[in-house]
Amino acid sequence: SAVISQKPSRDICQRGTSLTIQCQVDSQVTMMFWYRQQPGQSLTLIATANQGSEATYESGFVIDKFPISRPNLTFSTLTVSNMSPEDSSIYLCSVGAWGSNTEAFFGQGTRLTVV
Amino acid sequence: AQTVTQSQPEMSVQEAETVTLSCTYDTSESDYYLFWYKQPPSRQMILVIRQEAYKQQNATENRFSVNFQKAAKSFSLKISDSQLGDAAMYFCAYRSADGAQKLVFGQGTRLTINP
Repeated sequence: SAVISQKPSRDICQRGTSLTIQCQVDSQVTMMFWYRQQPGQSLTLIATANQGSEATYESGFVIDKFPISRPNLTFSTLTVSNMSPEDSSIYLCSVGAWGSNTEAFFGQGTRLTVV
Repeated sequence: AQTVTQSQPEMSVQEAETVTLSCTYDTSESDYYLFWYKQPPSRQMILVIRQEAYKQQNATENRFSVNFQKAAKSFSLKISDSQLGDAAMYFCAYRSADGAQKLVFGQGTRLTINP
């Protein structure tokens, strides 16, 4: 199993500002994922973050808005830039399966409110 | 691209009764994994049960079992002897077996347990 620490757990931010969310894993993992969960909605993948290469973004998400860093195999950050109220969501970090383990593990999420 | 559909936004069940949550998916792949995740108000995503597509036998975890119909692309979750602690959002998720590791989620079903 993997233990994922994500912080902050919640924040209230002013529109036009940026917030960086941190994700720390207790073991080395190849792939880390960032999901967005809008109020009352399901989880949507923002991007896949691999160590040593640029993140791969899903359709509808761009690097200028959601820059991601992956400096090593246990850590990643997601920045939500130039925020607007529409960015109010829960953002979740996840690590994928490795070896024969098919389970994905999630951080506890960051609840972001933009005012 | 794969899609996952949960047609029941909300379900309710009496405590100790049995409830079934529906999930259908669309894929052209022959090898993949299916999951049911539970998300209580704490926001933590908790794996309930998983199914490998190459296995014909339905997965079972204590009070939780699935009805996996590969030809019909159906993957329902049955919760027996429902308990108050089962109240949560339940998400059905799909993962390719190609190493990409990312998950595609359904819209979710909010399950209420009536005492």
